Amino acid sequence: DGGITQSPKYLFRKEGQNVTLSCEQNLNHDAMYWYRQDPGQGLRLIYYSQIVNDFQKGDIAEGYSVSREKKESFPLTVTSAQKNPTAFYLCASSYRGPIYYNEQFFGPGTRLTVL
Amino acid sequence: AQKITQTQPGMFVQEKEAVTLDCTYDTSDQSYGLFWYKQPSSGEMIFLIYQGSYDEQNATEGRYSLNFQKARKSTNLVISASQLGDSAMYFCAMREGEVLTGGGNKLTFGTGTQLKVEL
Repeated sequence: DGGITQSPKYLFRKEGQNVTLSCEQNLNHDAMYWYRQDPGQGLRLIYYSQIVNDFQKGDIAEGYSVSREKKESFPLTVTSAQKNPTAFYLCASSYRGPIYYNEQFFGPGTRLTVL
Repeated sequence: AQKITQTQPGMFVQEKEAVTLDCTYDTSDQSYGLFWYKQPSSGEMIFLIYQGSYDEQNATEGRYSLNFQKARKSTNLVISASQLGDSAMYFCAMREGEVLTGGGNKLTFGTGTQLKVEL
């Protein structure tokens, strides 16, 4: 079955440690995205990538880093510079276009708690 | 200014009744797309329905339909014949700019409406 996998589902880390969240897709999508969701809030875009070896900052990129070495994978690193990293992180992918709907498909998410 | 505004933090509806979830948006682009996603308690985002800015008819997908009023910049989601499984968070989102020319596909989300379907 095609889809997006994120691992792990729950992640606990000590303050000051970097942590990497995994995102893999087998939908043959060119574009991938990382969002952050805080309680009672909508999704906010952290980083996105439209093609391999290229990515752009979203609205809240500070304290995060990404890489896109393979089409299928878009890992997100939450660095110690991120002041409030505890949140729910969602990865998504889509075709690059031109397609009429071009909706984003989402993974199941990773809930990160920094102790 | 908020680009996507959902003014109803929570809504209740009785099973088998229809419910309308409100969404207004703000953009200066002529070409844009509007999406609705459902987020159950499990956390995954599920795409429901799409409305393009040039679409002349309101979008429909099964029990979901949109009341798209371009001049008022609103795109309200109507869920007919509510079911217990419809209880979830619902998000409205917007993509600005051209789609068919392969432009960027970034989405801006609203803060969501929590819908509870009751017996």
